[in-house]
Amino acid sequence: EVQLVESGGSLVQPGGSLRVSCAATGFTFSAYWMHWVRQVPGKGLVWVSRISRDGSTTNYADSVKGRFTISRDNAKNTLYLEMNSLRAEDAAVYYCARDREGNYYDSGGFDHWGQGTLVTVSS
Amino acid sequence: SYELTQPPSVSVAPGQTATVTCGGNNVGSKSVHWYQQKPGQAPVLVVHDDNDRPSGIPERFSGSNSGNTATLTISRVEVGDEADYYCHVWDTRRNPSGVFGGGTKLTVL
Repeated sequence: EVQLVESGGSLVQPGGSLRVSCAATGFTFSAYWMHWVRQVPGKGLVWVSRISRDGSTTNYADSVKGRFTISRDNAKNTLYLEMNSLRAEDAAVYYCARDREGNYYDSGGFDHWGQGTLVTVSS
Repeated sequence: SYELTQPPSVSVAPGQTATVTCGGNNVGSKSVHWYQQKPGQAPVLVVHDDNDRPSGIPERFSGSNSGNTATLTISRVEVGDEADYYCHVWDTRRNPSGVFGGGTKLTVL
């Protein structure tokens, strides 16, 4: 059974840093592009970042570019999102998601999602 | 940046057909995916690549995509279909990025 389990969400002060993780089980992690998507409770889904199978290609939403870094450890079957210079508007539930048939030019849709981890940014 | 526009809400009676639209500039040239999200739960993929269903998704869920509008159609709507629905595409024009529509709340009357 495919499982994605996020962790690391917490309360952080504005300007602070946080790393969230996503542990993957039940599939060949290294064979899939992976994404982070966030959602303010009660609001819509917002795409944040993606990473290629081997980690060589990464993309970011304009709102987080230069502040967030996506990475993966295929030996540990784990996806990461390092978040720096956090702002109040970064507060959200962060989901990791598996791209069904992703490639450099397109997404095949996100066929598995974690349960999310809550990041709160407040002083 | 590329934008997808969805109606905030759609209402339908049980047994009827619900239609959720997703508007975007020449969205017909892109692959559109649809997600269902119930309160307190993670999204679930219900249609991918315009009109394909993942395994386990009922045939009642179907999609189409042409011109500037993609559509999710739910036939014989059930009370359990009440949820938020989001469309999603990948945009490669400038900064390759994922784009979600704003979401549509489907209410089953």
